[in-house]
Amino acid sequence: DTGVSQNPRHKITKRGQNVTFRCDPISEHNRLYWYRQTLGQGPEFLTYFQNEAQLEKSRLLSDRFSAERPKGSFSTLEIQRTEQGDSAMYLCASSSQGGGNTDTQYFGPGTRLTVL
Amino acid sequence: SQQGEEDPQALSIQEGENATMNCSYKTSINNLQWYRQNSGRGLVHLILIRSNEREKHSGRLRVTLDTSKKSSSLLITASRAADTASYFCATPNDYKLSFGAGTTVTVRA
Repeated sequence: DTGVSQNPRHKITKRGQNVTFRCDPISEHNRLYWYRQTLGQGPEFLTYFQNEAQLEKSRLLSDRFSAERPKGSFSTLEIQRTEQGDSAMYLCASSSQGGGNTDTQYFGPGTRLTVL
Repeated sequence: SQQGEEDPQALSIQEGENATMNCSYKTSINNLQWYRQNSGRGLVHLILIRSNEREKHSGRLRVTLDTSKKSSSLLITASRAADTASYFCATPNDYKLSFGAGTTVTVRA
C-alpha cells in the first residue's frame, strides 16, 4: 500500500499523559499536513510542513502540541499533558508541490485519541 | 474557522436515487474540492473544480460551482449502499484546506 499511513490507529490514554502519533506520507510528497477532527465536524488545520520545515501552525496548536518532520520524511505529533478536550481524530495528509494551491491532499486513516 | 457550510446536514435516500448536497463559502477561491469520509476513516478526494469552471463530472459525480453566489453542489447519481458516507467541501487557504461540517448521506437498500 503506497498511501498515507498513520500509527497507532487508536490511542486511549489518561488525562495528563503524553502521547505521540506517527504519519508516513506518500514517499514522493514533500508537503505534509496535520488536521484534527471532532465528532460531527470537518477537519481543522493544525500544522503544515514543506520538506522538514514547519511553515505554519494554527492557533489551535497550543504549547502542549509539537510536531516534527525530521529529514522531510515521516512526521510525529506529540501532545503533552493530555486533556479530555484533546479527544479527537488526528488526520495526516500529504501532497506534492504543484502549481499554486491546487495540490490534492491525500489523507491517512487517522489516529483516534480518547483521553479519559 | 471553517470556511464552507454544507447543506443539508443529513440526507437519507433509497438506493438508485440521486443525492444532492450544497456547499456555501465565504471568501474568493481558486478552486473547491469535495471529499468523502466513510465512518471513522480518513478522507478520500473526490473531485476538484477550479474557479473558472462551472461544472465537472467524474463517474457518477457531478459538481457545479457558482462563484457569484459562492456556492457549489455535489450530485451523486444512481446511488449505491457504498455511497453511504459523510461528504465535505473544502477550500484552499494558502496550502491548507478549510472544511465545512459535512453532509451525512445514508443510502437505504
